[in-house]
Amino acid sequence: GAVVSQHPSRVICKSGTSVKIECRSLDFQATTMFWYRQFPKQSLMLMATSNEGSKATYEQGVEKDKFLINHASLTLSTLTVTSAHPEDSSFYICSASLGRNTEAFFGQGTRLTVV
Amino acid sequence: AQSVTQLDSQVPVFEEAPVELRCNYSSSVSVYLFWYVQYPNQGLQLLLKYLSGSTLVKGINGFEAEFNKSQTSFHLRKPSVHISDTAEYFCAVSSLGANNLFFGTGTRLTVIP
Repeated sequence: GAVVSQHPSRVICKSGTSVKIECRSLDFQATTMFWYRQFPKQSLMLMATSNEGSKATYEQGVEKDKFLINHASLTLSTLTVTSAHPEDSSFYICSASLGRNTEAFFGQGTRLTVV
Repeated sequence: AQSVTQLDSQVPVFEEAPVELRCNYSSSVSVYLFWYVQYPNQGLQLLLKYLSGSTLVKGINGFEAEFNKSQTSFHLRKPSVHISDTAEYFCAVSSLGANNLFFGTGTRLTVIP
């Protein structure tokens, strides 16, 4: 299957700083990438959908100014958590797909801890 | 809108015993159905998916699932579990023509030696 690489796998940052998470499709071009957030012992919640070259579509309740998503190329999407606070601590997972009606492949996830 | 219900948050089972993880969904449109497995601190790995055709779907690691449209269910089964099957299992649904997934709350499968 296709490979999606997410970096970093773990990050600890101070409250008030920003953190960037990268999601790369290594062997295919992803027209669409998705960002999910997973709280401890809970399910994954879709945060936003990004299409290459256009603005991301955010789910209701997700602050677009806090969670900046950039999908500048067909193989890279980034999620920047701006002015992070302890409540932003979570497991963030990206997925990528070739397009509609195709399988989405997941990255390994990023464990963010804000102290 | 779609939603997924996984009634069992935790399922303990002895090694080599059969297991069934339940998943029910609701949707006003036709859907695709998926089962994913998540090992600790890792991303999600696709176990199997139902897109169309045969309602019995076979996946990796000996798992299978059956799509039951009348009962809106997509239960996951394995006839004989191994210690290595201990993980979190998520059922997910997407509508036709879309790629964003809606996940259930997950079921923690613990295989007891």
